[in-house]
Order: sequence, then C-alpha cells, then structure tokens
Amino acid sequence: DVKVTQSSRYLVKRTGEKVFLECVQDMDHENMFWYRQDPGLGLRLIYFSYDVKMKEKGDIPEGYSVSREKKERFSLILESASTNQTSMYLCASSSEGLGNHEQYFGPGTRLTVT
Amino acid sequence: SQQGEEDPQALSIQEGENATMNCSYKTSINNLQWYRQNSGRGLVHLILIRSNEREKHSGRLRVTLDTSKKSSSLLITASRAADTASYFCATDLSGYSTLTFGKGTMLLVSP
Repeated sequence: DVKVTQSSRYLVKRTGEKVFLECVQDMDHENMFWYRQDPGLGLRLIYFSYDVKMKEKGDIPEGYSVSREKKERFSLILESASTNQTSMYLCASSSEGLGNHEQYFGPGTRLTVT
Repeated sequence: SQQGEEDPQALSIQEGENATMNCSYKTSINNLQWYRQNSGRGLVHLILIRSNEREKHSGRLRVTLDTSKKSSSLLITASRAADTASYFCATDLSGYSTLTFGKGTMLLVSP
C-alpha cells in the first residue's frame, strides 16, 4: 500500500524559530511536493522536486526552502517562522515523466506559529 | 490565481440523494483530477480524466469533462454519511504532474 508520512501531525513553534517539516514516501516516486492549505484559499504549491538534489519554486516559495538529499525524503524548511506561516502543510508524491499521474498525499502537519 | 474553481462552495444533502459538484478552469489541460479530503486529513485521489476523455466512472462516482466549456463535474450517486468531506478538482496543465487545485466543495451528507 502506498504510503506518504509526515513527521508531525501538530506542531507549535515560536516566531523566529527554524522549523523543519519532514516527508517520506515509500513508493520510489521521483516527484515530491509541498503545499500549504488555508481556509478560503485552497491548496497552494510551495516547492516541488523532480529528483534528488533538485528543487523548483511553486506559487508561494517566499519564506520557505526545501531539501531533497534522498529520493524518499523531502524536507520543508521555515528559516525564521512567522505567524503568517501558521497553516496546514501537506506533502505529496507522484511518478515521474510525461503522462497522467495522481498525487499521493500525507496526512498533513498543522503548524501553529505563536 | 486559481486554475480550477469548484461550485458550489458547500452542499448539504440527505443520505441516498445524489451530489453534483462542478469545476471550471481557465486554460487547456492535460488531465483533470478529483480528490477528497476528510476533515483535517490529507487528500485522497478519486479519479483522473484525460483531456481526450468525456466521461469516466469509478464505483458510485461519475466524472464528466467538457473541454470546450472548460468544465468538469463530479457526481456521487446514492450518497452516504461517510461521503461527508471536501472535494477538490485539480488540473494538470503540462502532463508533468504539477497540479493546480481549486478551493473545494464541502459536502455534508446527513443520515
């Protein structure tokens, strides 16, 4: 069975802290994605990666960075957390290449920055 | 800006009734996908319809795609309380799996 796991379901951090959100998939997928989900705004793509050590900016990359050192792991980093980064963060993965591929999502991390 | 927009934003029905949700989008697509999200959880893929397909079925789900109108609909037949969730459409513009999601339709199915 396909599995995408995220390191925490709930996280509370203080303003200015460095925050790491980890995502691991066991499907040998090349593509991995980070989204944030906010009420009334839907899902917005932060960053994605097509391969190890490769990253591409999504629609809202400001204030975030990512790391993909291994194929199965994709980390989202908030260098200096701010209150406007309080949100639900969702990780997803999919197969590579041109075609029609669905995304598999993790359970989400609800981050609160105080 | 959002590529896909679902309509209605919220829908409340009784068990056994059918639920129809619509999605409109702005530019040409490679495929369109529907996802379900139970409260506070991750999204689950329901169905993918390619740009050259007009209708697709999966169990109680029926999806249609009208590329001339840039719209899609998701029909859930004989709904159950367990269908209560938010439903999102997502468009794949290039075929390289980067999706753009709409804001979702919240479906409430009452027993």
